[in-house]
Amino acid sequence: QVQLQESGPGLVKPSETLSLTCAVSGGSINNSSYSWGWIRQPPGQGLEWLANIYYTEAANYNPSLKSRLSISIDTSKNQFSLKLASLTAADTAVYYCARLPILDCAFDPWGQGTLVTVSS
Amino acid sequence: QSALTQPASVSGPPGQSITISCTGATSDVGGYKYVSWYQQHPGKPPKLMIYDVDKRPSGVSLRFSGSKSGSTASLTISALQPEDEGVYYCNSYSTGSALMMFGGGTKLTVL
Repeated sequence: QVQLQESGPGLVKPSETLSLTCAVSGGSINNSSYSWGWIRQPPGQGLEWLANIYYTEAANYNPSLKSRLSISIDTSKNQFSLKLASLTAADTAVYYCARLPILDCAFDPWGQGTLVTVSS
Repeated sequence: QSALTQPASVSGPPGQSITISCTGATSDVGGYKYVSWYQQHPGKPPKLMIYDVDKRPSGVSLRFSGSKSGSTASLTISALQPEDEGVYYCNSYSTGSALMMFGGGTKLTVL
């Protein structure tokens, strides 16, 4: 079965750019049936969809963050990545990656999440 | 402020049924079948419980069911069990602002 695993720096400084990667195992990311997404959750708060990308590299972004976000996909490494620029403390959150079937639009499965803290 | 509105909390004793609502608009919940529900336990990632309004993924208990009326979707959990405690989030495809909208989450307490 497909599994996703996020990796990232853990601690980043304000104004810097966050880079996260989601490694996919148990299935190919080069699959027209799915897109691949990022969702975040600030401590004690709810979920926020950030972006998703297809194997064709077509992408969708949350308009509220679009100017700071960039999502990419590497089918040769079976992984996809997210960059978030101009970080502030408000970007402190657990960042999850997840698979999004095109026909059902429901995130499943999810990675375990990686906590990113923005602090000097 | 979340685009989809959920009650902050619900509670019920073991064995009872509860329903969590998720209210949106015609640009999301009311206009599409792509409503999903997630259960989250502390320190864990969300788990898909319902998709396409009323479908259950393999392995999800029959006690969980979903429905929709107009722009309000609902998650019903019957015969509550202690392990059902957690936070439940709804999500919908949207042609409004963001492509995928989450509700603010509802904390379920099994008394």
